[in-house]
Amino acid sequence: DQQVKQNSPSLSVQEGRISILNCDYTNSMFDYFLWYKKYPAEGPTFLISISSIKDKNEDGRFTVFLNKSAKHLSLHIVPSQPGDSAVYFCAASYMNYGGSQGNLIFGKGTKLSVKP
Amino acid sequence: ETGVTQTPRHLVMGMTNKKSLKCEQHLGHNAMYWYKQSAKKPLELMFVYNFKEQTENNSVPSRFSPECPNSSHLFLHLHTLQPEDSALYLCASSPGRRANQPQHFGDGTRLSIL
Repeated sequence: DQQVKQNSPSLSVQEGRISILNCDYTNSMFDYFLWYKKYPAEGPTFLISISSIKDKNEDGRFTVFLNKSAKHLSLHIVPSQPGDSAVYFCAASYMNYGGSQGNLIFGKGTKLSVKP
Repeated sequence: ETGVTQTPRHLVMGMTNKKSLKCEQHLGHNAMYWYKQSAKKPLELMFVYNFKEQTENNSVPSRFSPECPNSSHLFLHLHTLQPEDSALYLCASSPGRRANQPQHFGDGTRLSIL
């Protein structure tokens, strides 16, 4: 039973427009969330994160929004660029949960294609 | 340059072979991890080491045997693998075991079992 779900396997966006990637989770014990980006033949690279005490975190073109009541987070990329084309993984973790703190539970990923 | 280097990048082996995957991190991190990524599945955590001590074994079959001789090196010894073990194996490291210390990943070893 998946605890972190990315229901859209793929997303196609025009260059310059906004990309919105969505992620849902089921475990209310999660209190820290991360987004990773993965290019083909490379490992995942950390992109941005958010603590459950916040509802928004921004870093340049990337913004993550967290809606705890809905157990939903989203990653916004504005403006989207062709170099953003990659697979984006949502991950959830625990800041304080005994031996499992720091463990990452990943979604299956969403493949973003940004067309010039 | 990811700071986490995995070798080999590709490995093809028979079910009766014994091989090892190697991971080295140059980031001065204290925690290291092995993940498995199978087709159409999320990354699955296999093992966690913190300061060279194994702190987590996520119900991994004994045909996978990890080794962490020091905080910079991590091995995954493989023996008598099954075809369903074909996957991408990723190593990661982090400064510590807190969630706000993001893990840094290597580029993975693509393993194929014949």
